[in-house]
Amino acid sequence: NAGVTQTPKFQVLKTGQSMTLQCAQDMNHNSMYWYRQDPGMGLRLIYYSASEGTTDKGEVPNGYNVSRLNKREFSLRLESAAPSQTSVYFCASSESGTSRETQYFGPGTRLLVL
Amino acid sequence: AQSVTQLDSQVPVFEEAPVELRCNYSSSVSVYLFWYVQYPNQGLQLLLKYLSGSTLVKGINGFEAEFNKSQTSFHLRKPSVHISDTAEYFCAVSSPGDDKIIFGKGTRLHILP
Repeated sequence: NAGVTQTPKFQVLKTGQSMTLQCAQDMNHNSMYWYRQDPGMGLRLIYYSASEGTTDKGEVPNGYNVSRLNKREFSLRLESAAPSQTSVYFCASSESGTSRETQYFGPGTRLLVL
Repeated sequence: AQSVTQLDSQVPVFEEAPVELRCNYSSSVSVYLFWYVQYPNQGLQLLLKYLSGSTLVKGINGFEAEFNKSQTSFHLRKPSVHISDTAEYFCAVSSPGDDKIIFGKGTRLHILP
């Protein structure tokens, strides 16, 4: 099992460009999450999908959109990138939507917006 | 609203010495508490979690944590650290009925030779 995979691993964008971060899990989990990690800020939830077909905003959703393509895949889109979106992005999944479940994280995507 | 505070942003400790990483939470209801570890250039992985029952929770790699309801704390301890414990450690909190968890800002553990 690969667990949670993310592509790309690194990306450099210019302000105003768009891109989609891809995430897939092979653990048959129902819930998936997108976080951003910034120095001194910990992890902040951008969007999550408690189950296939549903998505909800997290703490910092502005400037992002998500798509739960199927049970395995959950993508994050930046429509018009800004320097403030320079960050490390992590995708995670858990078996169900309850908060007692362990979340399993991908290796991250490092994004630099110039 | 729930919140979690990690009191130290960085903790230096000598190899083979004991360590305690502090975590306090704020919640008016029952809580679930977690410690996650992030090794350099990797994603997070679960160290241990408290859901209910015994207040002393044992995790992987020799770590343990104690839930203290009166002090609203969930401090992480290890009796003897190794160079391989160099990582960032995140405390997190949630409650029954929630569908997401709140992470603290992290504590970087530096192991000194």
